Amino acid sequence: GAVVSQHPSRVICKSGTSVKIECRSLDFQATTMFWYRQFPKQSLMLMATSNEGSKATYEQGVEKDKFLINHASLTLSTLTVTSAHPEDSSFYICSASYRGRETQYFGPGTRLLVL
Amino acid sequence: GDSVTQMEGPVTLSEEAFLTINCTYTATGYPSLFWYVQYPGEGLQLLLKATKADDKGSNKGFEATYRKETTSFHLEKGSVQVSDSAVYFCALKETSGSRLTFGEGTQLTVNP
Repeated sequence: GAVVSQHPSRVICKSGTSVKIECRSLDFQATTMFWYRQFPKQSLMLMATSNEGSKATYEQGVEKDKFLINHASLTLSTLTVTSAHPEDSSFYICSASYRGRETQYFGPGTRLLVL
Repeated sequence: GDSVTQMEGPVTLSEEAFLTINCTYTATGYPSLFWYVQYPGEGLQLLLKATKADDKGSNKGFEATYRKETTSFHLEKGSVQVSDSAVYFCALKETSGSRLTFGEGTQLTVNP
């Protein structure tokens, strides 16, 4: 149980375009979802936390107009990288947790390459 | 603020060797502590956790004990396998809130 999927697993896009990444909890209702960014050989950097039906809370230094997060249902959150640039290339990972449980369950990640 | 410090990697061991990956933390309250593992090309998987002092988390032969006096949560395994090759992350979560704070990660390579 507690499976989280992400789609796509890998995406290549041109500079200036927007990319949407989906994060789904497959067998539980995720009251909270998290979006992380991971640079090569580095730790995970929390970008934002989203609760179902409310606006995401962004970490300091993360541009909320560039990284749009929507958590419209208890099983789906999306991250849209708007007007992507090469420096946005990274591994994006989502995680989900549900009310009363502290464990976060992680998705497999999405590798974004902006050319 | 909260922080987690892991021993620097990479760590290279031979199969059946003993593994220790050190992890220390700084927190204002009484956090829960976690070890996550990331296999190549995959997302993180929860390996084990401990929620209060002196608790021992264990899974797949790995163990870690929550030591409040030394603010540590070192990961150990008595006999590593090639399949244990991965990146290991120590993390903490404060009692209030849901935010995880991760260490830098330690790359483990186990050779046959």
